[in-house]
Amino acid sequence: ETGVTQTPRHLVMGMTNKKSLKCEQHLGHNAMYWYKQSAKKPLELMFVYNFKEQTENNSVPSRFSPECPNSSHLFLHLHTLQPEDSALYLCASSQAPGRSTDTQYFGPGTRLTVL
Amino acid sequence: AQKITQTQPGMFVQEKEAVTLDCTYDTSDQSYGLFWYKQPSSGEMIFLIYQGSYDEQNATEGRYSLNFQKARKSANLVISASQLGDSAMYFCAMREGYSSGGYQKVTFGIGTKLQVIP
Repeated sequence: ETGVTQTPRHLVMGMTNKKSLKCEQHLGHNAMYWYKQSAKKPLELMFVYNFKEQTENNSVPSRFSPECPNSSHLFLHLHTLQPEDSALYLCASSQAPGRSTDTQYFGPGTRLTVL
Repeated sequence: AQKITQTQPGMFVQEKEAVTLDCTYDTSDQSYGLFWYKQPSSGEMIFLIYQGSYDEQNATEGRYSLNFQKARKSANLVISASQLGDSAMYFCAMREGYSSGGYQKVTFGIGTKLQVIP
């Protein structure tokens, strides 16, 4: 595997379900990110982890719970979601989020539908 | 005010022709970075090109070049010799400032949909 991978690619869940999204980066980066992409809206940053520590939580509802066990893996645990949470969830990684030259590399995303 | 403005929701270009996708940005920082990403229908955001605010020359990467006009705060993407595979959404993004966590926030525009016509 190369780059950033995400599983599953598609997920349909009911509002009472619990599911998890997984992201893995094979780039040796130190930082990982979760973004939400809804139609007609700019990408919304959700969480940032740098060296496994959460450095940013962009006022995300508690029904989204991130977990970063190491610099290569990032999870997003989902619980009692709402239909408006349906979106494409993108994971990204980068080497040094404090540098202006730092570039984020993205995974293919998980298309989430909440019924 | 929006940080990143992409005013072209959709663009068409003939195969093998060049096309310019517009991006203007708003920042009071002296040090910032500008990026362009491509997103095909498959969903993955693919990094194309980067321009630093202190770079004097326009960035180029193969068929992609970034027309950086600092005084106008514009960072347009130029794609030369368009190919059918260039059909995708294109996003302009800017990195600036620092959060309390030492993270430089990246702000994305809403994108431009490019369609290459055979």
